[in-house]
Amino acid sequence: RKEVEQDPGPFNVPEGATVAFNCTYSNSASQSFFWYRQDCRKEPKLLMSVYSSGNEDGRFTAQLNRASQYISLLIRDSKLSDSATYLCVVSSHNSGYSTLTFGKGTMLLVSP
Amino acid sequence: DVKVTQSSRYLVKRTGEKVFLECVQDMDHENMFWYRQDPGLGLRLIYFSYDVKMKEKGDIPEGYSVSREKKERFSLILESASTNQTSMYLCASSRGGGLAGGSSGNTIYFGEGSWLTVV
Repeated sequence: RKEVEQDPGPFNVPEGATVAFNCTYSNSASQSFFWYRQDCRKEPKLLMSVYSSGNEDGRFTAQLNRASQYISLLIRDSKLSDSATYLCVVSSHNSGYSTLTFGKGTMLLVSP
Repeated sequence: DVKVTQSSRYLVKRTGEKVFLECVQDMDHENMFWYRQDPGLGLRLIYFSYDVKMKEKGDIPEGYSVSREKKERFSLILESASTNQTSMYLCASSRGGGLAGGSSGNTIYFGEGSWLTVV
């Protein structure tokens, strides 16, 4: 089983649609969870951290289910500018260090 | 603003050449990382460093080495470049003292990437 697995893309949605991305992780000892956004030929940038209680930032809602080892990202009222690749990222602690494991990403294409 | 600068954005090198990719961060971060990103494979960690002169292997260190002589600078070295090292290389940094990730104090910041082609 891959360490961090995401929905295959691309997701093609019209403006205004609601879209959900899912992610599963295999390391039950993982401690922190994030969603990053990466535009074409650009570097990844932090979109939001994911907390057990769920968290919301404007049109974006992230949720974590530790029992199922599952993370989600919901985008409401999608905009053209939301078109990007969304990376699920998990932080784990190994041998005194913490490292990030990235999913392969899910591409979102929002059309007019 | 945090700045992670990768000095070479686009490089073309010949097989067997020694290649240096330089990365400098201006936020006094303890942690620095080198990733490569390939289509269909996502980001993969090559090496990381939690302190000056300290390095740890990531998931794919073969064919690479690193150097961290100063806190702000982390160099990736390809001793003898091969065509399978054609990729986009991303440097990143974060504050130390905790999880390397995105919790409010430890957000990881990436450079703009270095596109390396080995012919």
